[in-house]
Amino acid sequence: NAGVTQTPKFQVLKTGQSMTLQCAQDMNHNSMYWYRQDPGMGLRLIYYSASEGTTDKGEVPNGYNVSRLNKREFSLRLESAAPSQTSVYFCASSHSTSYEQYFGPGTRLTVT
Amino acid sequence: AQSVAQPEDQVNVAEGNPLTVKCTYSVSGNPYLFWYVQYPNRGLQFLLKYITGDNLVKGSYGFEAEFNKSQTSFHLKKPSALVSDSALYFCAVRDPLPAGSYQLTFGKGTKLSVIP
Repeated sequence: NAGVTQTPKFQVLKTGQSMTLQCAQDMNHNSMYWYRQDPGMGLRLIYYSASEGTTDKGEVPNGYNVSRLNKREFSLRLESAAPSQTSVYFCASSHSTSYEQYFGPGTRLTVT
Repeated sequence: AQSVAQPEDQVNVAEGNPLTVKCTYSVSGNPYLFWYVQYPNRGLQFLLKYITGDNLVKGSYGFEAEFNKSQTSFHLKKPSALVSDSALYFCAVRDPLPAGSYQLTFGKGTKLSVIP
């Protein structure tokens, strides 16, 4: 039981490049989330998926897209990376939106 | 709109002493409240939650938190701090209203340092 896994762990991009962050959970959770963590800002929600087949914007969705591929997987795509997207990205999942969330180990992204 | 505040960026406590990490919140309805801990270069780990019921909730690693509706607070406590408790602690709140709103709002975090 690996919990929530994220790939890659580290990534360096040039401005304008694109990439997809992958997330998978093996806890049979219905809800999945993407956050970014910046120093002094706490965690901010980018997008979430309350259940398979649905996605919704969070607090800071601009510049990102998501895909809930199936119940296990929820990917985050940066179409044209910008330096302002330099951050640590966390994926999380929960049984439902009323329950505690379980977090992956994070992806540290640097955009130059 | 929901919000959460952690008024202290850093808390220092001697090993063996009791610790408190403060959290206050603002919601429209009855809150769902959570505490998470983050160790360096790791994801967040769930510690405890308050949804309804007893105002004192107990969680992992000997931590507990007290829900105080009149003061809109949910402070994290531990009777005797360990050096291994040193980490970044996040309080989070979810307002179940309006229906269909699922966003969890996190505080900015409090760095706890337990001094040997």
